[in-house]
Amino acid sequence: DQQVKQNSPSLSVQEGRISILNCDYTNSMFDYFLWYKKYPAEGPTFLISISSIKDKNEDGRFTVFLNKSAKHLSLHIVPSQPGDSAVYFCACPGNAGNMLTFGGGTRLMVKP
Amino acid sequence: EAQVTQNPRYLITVTGKKLTVTCSQNMNHEYMSWYRQDPGLGLRQIYYSMNVEVTDKGDVPEGYKVSRKEKRNFPLILESPSPNQTSLYFCASSSSGADTQYFGPGTRLTVL
Repeated sequence: DQQVKQNSPSLSVQEGRISILNCDYTNSMFDYFLWYKKYPAEGPTFLISISSIKDKNEDGRFTVFLNKSAKHLSLHIVPSQPGDSAVYFCACPGNAGNMLTFGGGTRLMVKP
Repeated sequence: EAQVTQNPRYLITVTGKKLTVTCSQNMNHEYMSWYRQDPGLGLRQIYYSMNVEVTDKGDVPEGYKVSRKEKRNFPLILESPSPNQTSLYFCASSSSGADTQYFGPGTRLTVL
């Protein structure tokens, strides 16, 4: 059973609008969460993270929100740009911080 | 330039023929890991290494071996590849456990 789930395999938004990518997790012991971005033919790159002591972390156009009671986090991209088109993975370190558990990914397409 | 390199980038082989995918990082990172990416499943961790001569199983270690004889290198070995190991493989490294890993460009393996 997947401990980290991204229920939307794909998302299409218009340039300039908001993109919201969602992620749900089951393990209440997770206390740190990361988002990675992946372009075709490249490895994932770290985008933004959030600690469980916060409910929001912002970095430029990217904001991650954490709802611990719902075991849910979301990534907001405002405004969305065509260069944001990629696959986004949420990830949670488990096993004493030695392993990363990834969600299945959401493919974001930003249309000009 | 700080990077994680993998070789080969593409490989087509046949069932049972031993192969090795190399991984090297030039960032003096202690932590290295291997993942496989499959559609809808995201990235799943195969093995990881906290330091030289220290390796441990991830979520999907069956059919794989690793070694960490030097800090910079972390090869992935498939002693007897099978078609269900056809996948996209990523090597990654980090200075601090599973957090904020730097990924290589990926190796696309096809086992016929």
